Amino acid sequence: DTGVSQDPRHKITKRGQNVTFRCDPISEHNRLYWYRQTLGQGPEFLTYFQNEAQLEKSRLLSDRFSAERPKGSFSTLEIQRTEQGDSAMYLCASSVTDRGTAFFGQGTRLTVV
Amino acid sequence: DAKTTQPPSMDCAEGRAANLPCNHSTISGNEYVYWYRQIHSQGPQYIIHGLKNNETNEMASLIITEDRKSSTLILPHATLRDTAVYYCIVPKVIGSSNTGKLIFGQGTTLQVKP
Repeated sequence: DTGVSQDPRHKITKRGQNVTFRCDPISEHNRLYWYRQTLGQGPEFLTYFQNEAQLEKSRLLSDRFSAERPKGSFSTLEIQRTEQGDSAMYLCASSVTDRGTAFFGQGTRLTVV
Repeated sequence: DAKTTQPPSMDCAEGRAANLPCNHSTISGNEYVYWYRQIHSQGPQYIIHGLKNNETNEMASLIITEDRKSSTLILPHATLRDTAVYYCIVPKVIGSSNTGKLIFGQGTTLQVKP
């Protein structure tokens, strides 16, 4: 399968713990996006990368959130000191260029207890 | 992104065509219309996109009105597996560059019934 891959698919963590998610985009896709989706809502944009450069961050991305794409390939999203409100599906997408169609992974479902 | 308006829900009989409307009256001349769908607990799936001409692929057809202020996604022979939330999105274009980020609304929940 050469689609966008996300790991893990599910994560349960205790409040206050740190978590890290990984996204492997489609090969040679320069753009990589992170979205968050809470129950009953559409996905909300968090941030995106052009190669290794993080070009935009949403106001939704608080100081506890950090995303990296160190070599312009895979990306990680870390949440520090998790809160119950962080419980959501975290989605990653990638596209060839700024005008390319974005393709999504299956997401990481985070539950903070 | 150009604001899009979709009905919150629709029903369709299995085997019949599903026609999902979308209004995007503030769309700019160089902005595309994209459709995605999301089946429960899965990531959004790309369906089709278009600029001004009608488009067709193996999944669906996209009909864009001449003034580009609205469009219709057509699933020609809906199956139970087409039950999903369908999103109509117009990504913002700044100059010649597409920001790429997608602004999802509430979408249309399509229920295909036997």
